[in-house]
This record gives sequence, C-alpha cells and structure tokens, in this order.
Amino acid sequence: ETGVTQTPRHLVMGMTNKKSLKCEQHLGHNAMYWYKQSAKKPLELMFVYNFKEQTENNSVPSRFSPECPNSSHLFLHLHTLQPEDSALYLCASSQDEATQYFGPGTRLLVL
Amino acid sequence: KNQVEQSPQSLIILEGKNCTLQCNYTVSPFSNLRWYKQDTGRGPVSLTIMTFSENTKSNGRYTATLDADTKQSSLHITASQLSDSASYICVVSELQGFQKLVFGTGTRLLVSP
Repeated sequence: ETGVTQTPRHLVMGMTNKKSLKCEQHLGHNAMYWYKQSAKKPLELMFVYNFKEQTENNSVPSRFSPECPNSSHLFLHLHTLQPEDSALYLCASSQDEATQYFGPGTRLLVL
Repeated sequence: KNQVEQSPQSLIILEGKNCTLQCNYTVSPFSNLRWYKQDTGRGPVSLTIMTFSENTKSNGRYTATLDADTKQSSLHITASQLSDSASYICVVSELQGFQKLVFGTGTRLLVSP
C-alpha cells in the first residue's frame, strides 16, 4: 500500500449521470494530483493542488470539477461525461516536489 | 515539445533472464528522471530517481542508468521474476514550475515461467 486510497475502484456511468471520485492520502503530504491514464497514452496531469490551492489546470473540460477540502482529501466530480472520458483516473500526493505516491486508481467506463 | 519516448513498447522474457528497457527524452531544462513500476490494476510505484549528476541508481534487482548528455536512460532488471511483470514508466521532471512531469507511455513487460 502506498498510503493513498481511492474510491470507488470501478465505476460505470451514463453520459447524463453525476458521480464523484474520492482520494485520501495518509502520508501528511501537502500536494495532491489527479491524472488520467488512457490506453497506450502517457499519464495526463489534470489538476494539482498545493496546500489546498489549485495551481494547475491543464485545459481540462469543465465536465470535470475538482474539490480539495483539506490537504488529505481530493475529489473529482464528474457530470455529463463522454465515452472518450473512459480511462483510469489516478490520484497522487507528494511533499512539495518530492516523489509522487499514487493511489490504485478508479477505472471509469462511460456508456 | 518536451517528450519522453520508451522502447520497446512490450517485451516478453523467460523467468530468470535479464532485460533492459530504454528511455529517451527531450525535456529541457532537466531536473530529474524517475522510473515507476505499474502493476495491472494498480497505480505506479517509484523504483528509482536520478538527478543530473547521477549516472546510476540501484534498487534491488533494478538498476537505472542516466546519460544526461545524450538524454538517455535505461532500466536493467536482473534475474527476472514473475512478479516483475508490469508496465515500467519513465518520468522526467522539468526544472521549472511545480512538479512539471513528462511521462513516457511505458514498456509492458511479461515474465514467462
């Protein structure tokens, strides 16, 4: 275990649904990240929170909405997704710019 | 454009054999290079990290090398085990911004009994 947990591990949703992904880190880190991992593509950074403040938003569509209520929790709210959004969504945390520790991911399928 | 290229895309080796995975990058300015191992259904786990001044770094049966002049790195796995079957991802960090990481697409390794 890396100290980063994600729920749910698997999610199937329709394009009109609203769902949320949850990430929790037990490492005392001050930065958290959301990544998207699609087949045969490099990990894509979606959002970065440093000290609970969002510092990066790499042109992610507004149908993805992050929330970071404190330095240990990170959410990704999903609404009106498209089939091409189906992917593995990974959460990670780090202390400043040190090595990132990844959670196990949420496998998302959008029908 | 900053990129990280890995080869081969996939590899099958017999248990007990050695193998070497390659990583070429164009990221500049360079901060550090990491190798991650990602088991199926799990998130990536860091194996090694090397800065500009380091040529080699070992972690058990894993040995990473770095040539910052040619912008190449390799990950050598010695005496492979079935549990080494995974994807190995090369990640290069830019020397600017907060954690500007550039990820490779990974090499998928299958160790066969």
